[in-house]
Amino acid sequence: QSALTQPASVSGSPGQSITISCTGTSSDVGGYNYVSWYQHHPGKAPKLMIYDVSNRPSGVSNRFSGSKSGNTASLTISGLQAEDEADYYCNSYTTRSTLVIFGGGTKLTVL
Amino acid sequence: QVQLVESGGGVVQPGRSLRLSCAASGFTFSTYAMHWVRQAPGKGLEWVAVVSSDGSNKYYADSVKGRFTISRDNSNNMLYLQVNSLRGEDTAVYYCAKCRTPTTYYGMDVWGQGTTVTVSS
Repeated sequence: QSALTQPASVSGSPGQSITISCTGTSSDVGGYNYVSWYQHHPGKAPKLMIYDVSNRPSGVSNRFSGSKSGNTASLTISGLQAEDEADYYCNSYTTRSTLVIFGGGTKLTVL
Repeated sequence: QVQLVESGGGVVQPGRSLRLSCAASGFTFSTYAMHWVRQAPGKGLEWVAVVSSDGSNKYYADSVKGRFTISRDNSNNMLYLQVNSLRGEDTAVYYCAKCRTPTTYYGMDVWGQGTTVTVSS
């Protein structure tokens, strides 16, 4: 089963904004508002950053925001900080037999 | 404090089996669906399986269907993953994760630290 499509890497300087895209189909991202985003620092547990396309869990900085247009969801990080450097994954409900699907992941480098 | 602690990983020969465990604490375990997610070396996160709060509904990734079985013991706040017929590509860190709300399977808001499975002869 193909994963959702994310860019392999993105980069930005401290203080800048970046956007990570997550492209699926009408069977997943485009058809339902069940897209989540996770931050993963190597060796640590992944952390939920956005759920249901655009909602932030309590404790997550408002520098993180999510949106969706058609079959593509996006995570935007504003005011980049060094500690934002991590891998980011999108995740969606899917009507395919498996119910849940991840994106391939995007490595964010803060220059 | 909401916590998930995985155990049961190790080095195992191809074709053999393991049972991974996840001990939950700090929340009403029986109310939430639970997931297993894995990460192979150098690869991204891969969803493996989910079980409903009462254990009656289970869904699997195509890559593990027929070989892995997810289950839970709500009386002891435990989640399990029985992994059979192991292959080299099953080598990964396996995480358990809690669903964010009692009513859905989506949004994993609490994760364990993971347990490592290495399949090698």
